[in-house]
Amino acid sequence: AQSVTQLGSHVSVSEGALVLLRCNYSSSVPPYLFWYVQYPNQGLQLLLKYTSAATLVKGINGFEAEFKKSETSFHLTKPSAHMSDAAEYFCAVTEGAGSYQLTFGKGTKLSVIP
Amino acid sequence: EAGVAQSPRYKIIEKRQSVAFWCNPISGHATLYWYQQILGQGPKLLIQFQNNGVVDDSQLPKDRFSAERLKGVDSTLKIQPAKLEDSAVYLCASSLDGAGLTQYFGPGTRLTVL
Repeated sequence: AQSVTQLGSHVSVSEGALVLLRCNYSSSVPPYLFWYVQYPNQGLQLLLKYTSAATLVKGINGFEAEFKKSETSFHLTKPSAHMSDAAEYFCAVTEGAGSYQLTFGKGTKLSVIP
Repeated sequence: EAGVAQSPRYKIIEKRQSVAFWCNPISGHATLYWYQQILGQGPKLLIQFQNNGVVDDSQLPKDRFSAERLKGVDSTLKIQPAKLEDSAVYLCASSLDGAGLTQYFGPGTRLTVL
């Protein structure tokens, strides 16, 4: 079964600083990978997804993530944090082609300090 | 385009009582998912419907949880009787087809069991 590890349940960055949220997965087959964002009292919104095309994936709100098979990682980055980025971020994985059920990590809460 | 609708948004009940949640997916979306999100954790899939048929309910505690999707559109999730550990946010999501690569989430129902 798939598992997802998000390092750091809480990350704080200064406004304008680099955002780096870490995600590692366990998979014996090429997976599909996702990052979702959840604002308080709201559902999850898809930020970006990797589906075996380009390894560097660009998403909404200036976020991007790079799939590194050798490291089984899919870290999320944004060059310059904005106050509106404060939210909880979830990494998720599927088994790959033929299975589309998502397994989520525990989430990383991002705080942005003015 | 209207998003996934859920009601109620909040519910407080006592243990051993019954509760039901309602979900209206995005129009035309064949696949519907119910997730349970316990505080501090990522969402966990409870059940997946394709039209009005169940695709996977392997993680649904069937002794107390039930779900149905009427006419392949709206869905209800019921808990009877509720336990303290059922306190969580229940998220509904829908996707256009069974590939489910992009799931659209509703705002969730926050259940508190006292």
